[in-house]
Formats: sequence, structure tokens, C-alpha cells
Amino acid sequence: EPEVTQTPSHQVTQMGQEVILRCVPISNHLYFYWYRQILGQKVEFLVSFYNNEISEKSEIFDDQFSVERPDGSNFTLKIRSTKLEDSAMYFCASSLTSGYSYEQYFGPGTRLTVT
Amino acid sequence: QKEVEQNSGPLSVPEGAIASLNCTYSDRGSQSFFWYRQYSGKSPELIMSIYSNGDKEDGRFTAQLNKASQYVSLLIRDSQPSDSATYLCAVNGNNDMRFGAGTRLTVKP
Repeated sequence: EPEVTQTPSHQVTQMGQEVILRCVPISNHLYFYWYRQILGQKVEFLVSFYNNEISEKSEIFDDQFSVERPDGSNFTLKIRSTKLEDSAMYFCASSLTSGYSYEQYFGPGTRLTVT
Repeated sequence: QKEVEQNSGPLSVPEGAIASLNCTYSDRGSQSFFWYRQYSGKSPELIMSIYSNGDKEDGRFTAQLNKASQYVSLLIRDSQPSDSATYLCAVNGNNDMRFGAGTRLTVKP
């Protein structure tokens, strides 16, 4: 069964550094998403992406964050100048379509630890 | 602000009982509603989607939607210890799916 994959599973970085989290969505899916979950808190929407453009972004997704689809399979989240509060699980998700009815499937996540 | 509210629990039911999980949402423009299951340390796993008012059944799971009351629920029949997890209600309006904080369910053998 097709699944979303994410690398690395765990990333440790120092405050102020840049990190790139990578995702391979399900191959025939067209819509891609990033979410984060701080330990013990709820899953928070960051951004949705379609046709090489951001569709929606939350108030969390400020200039520190960027997304890119560098090739036909990868979808990346870049976090510049990381802060301690960026420590969280970051989940990538994908869906076949959008609009009225669609279902998002999540990858296993990348645990980001900022020290 | 688009809010999704759930009782945090914990909700404890005996094996074989019905577990009832509830969710309310604030955005009347929401069109798609989902239940995810999340085991500790794992990613959310989709278990049900519902788009129209009424009930939708899938195996032991039944999702219920009432858009007028802005209310979504999930019933789990014949609960099993393996159902012990946090259940997340998610609501989508326009490509920006919002999650509730989740209800922790424990099914006791």
C-alpha cells in the first residue's frame, strides 16, 4: 500500500541553524501539507501546497519557514534560524484531491530537536 | 479563529463496550470532517471521513455529523484493548485542516 515517507526520522540541530525536512508524498497525490505537533499538544496546520504554489498557510508559517517541491517526488520544509520552540514532530501529509471531499494521509514524522 | 474542541479525557471503557467520542467546531464553512487515531509517538492514522449530515458506518466505527449543531462524533462498537489511543477530530474548510486536541481512550480488558 502506498505511503508517505519522511526523512530523517530524528534531526538534532543547534539554535540558529537551518534545517530541511524531507517528504516523499504518495505518488499520484497532488496536494501536500506540513503539520507540526509540539510534545503533548495538538497537531497544528502549517501549510498546504498545490501545483508548485502555497494554497493556504497558518499564522505559524511565517518568514522563517518555506516549502519547495524540488523535483517530481520530494516535498521539503525549510526552517531558517531555528529556535528552541521549533522543537516538535513535523508531519508531512498528502491527498489525491482537494475541495469538498478528500482524505489526507500522514507520514511517520520527523522529530526535530533544537538545542 | 477556527476552533475544534474535544474532551481531552481520559475516557475509559471496558472491552466490548461502546466508546463515544465527541467534537464541536466553530467554522460554519467547514465541509469535510475526519477522525484520526494516534498511538503514542506515532503519526495520525485516518480512520473515518464524513461530509454529509447523518451517520456513516465502517466496520466497528460510526461517524455522525450534524452541521446545524456543528457537532461530529465517533462511536466505536465492541471496543478492543488495541483501540486504546488518542482520537483526533479534524475539520477542513479550505485546504487548512484543523485538529482538536484529541481524546485519550483506554479500553480495559
